[in-house]
Amino acid sequence: DSGVTQTPKHLITATGQRVTLRCSPRSGDLSVYWYQQSLDQGLQFLIQYYNGEERAKGNILERFSAQQFPDLHSELNLSSLELGDSALYFCASSFRLAGPEGELFFGEGSRLTVL
Amino acid sequence: AQKITQTQPGMFVQEKEAVTLDCTYDTSDQSYGLFWYKQPSSGEMIFLIYQGSYDEQNATEGRYSLNFQKARKSANLVISASQLGDSAMYFCAMRELLNQAGTALIFGKGTTLSVSS
Repeated sequence: DSGVTQTPKHLITATGQRVTLRCSPRSGDLSVYWYQQSLDQGLQFLIQYYNGEERAKGNILERFSAQQFPDLHSELNLSSLELGDSALYFCASSFRLAGPEGELFFGEGSRLTVL
Repeated sequence: AQKITQTQPGMFVQEKEAVTLDCTYDTSDQSYGLFWYKQPSSGEMIFLIYQGSYDEQNATEGRYSLNFQKARKSANLVISASQLGDSAMYFCAMRELLNQAGTALIFGKGTTLSVSS
């Protein structure tokens, strides 16, 4: 158990809909990361938050947004969903903001299926 | 931009044998960190081992060791005495500094390891 909690574990929805994925980081971790894993794109970094502030952006679509709340939990909002958004979405956390060291601790992922 | 390359889509090994999973990286940073993660079929991402660029010795964690060759920019994972439970996807990753304000782990495409009895 990594200590990172993600809900829901599975989600099935239709194209055009909007969903929210939730993440609670490990106790004491200030940094939250969101990743998307699909068969064709592999593990793609989406966005990083640190202590409530957005710090780094990766390949995140404009239809996607995220935020980190004062209690450090984070939400990833996916809107106008398309079939290609079907993927496993991971949240990860770490204590540090930057620096080469320090592993990320991953949640179990939220599997999104768009029909 | 940094890049991680894993050239082996799939590897097959028998129980109790050792196996090496390849990873090469590209970076212009002097200080960097390399990571290996395991993803079993259940989907979770499990951290295995870390190597810092200034670490003089290769990292080891139980049956896992990292064969770090800085000049060749390679960070191969060695699993000794393979077990059936080692069957999984393995990802090599490196921390990348992004827009001077944050970092992220950038992952390779992964290698699927199959261990047979």
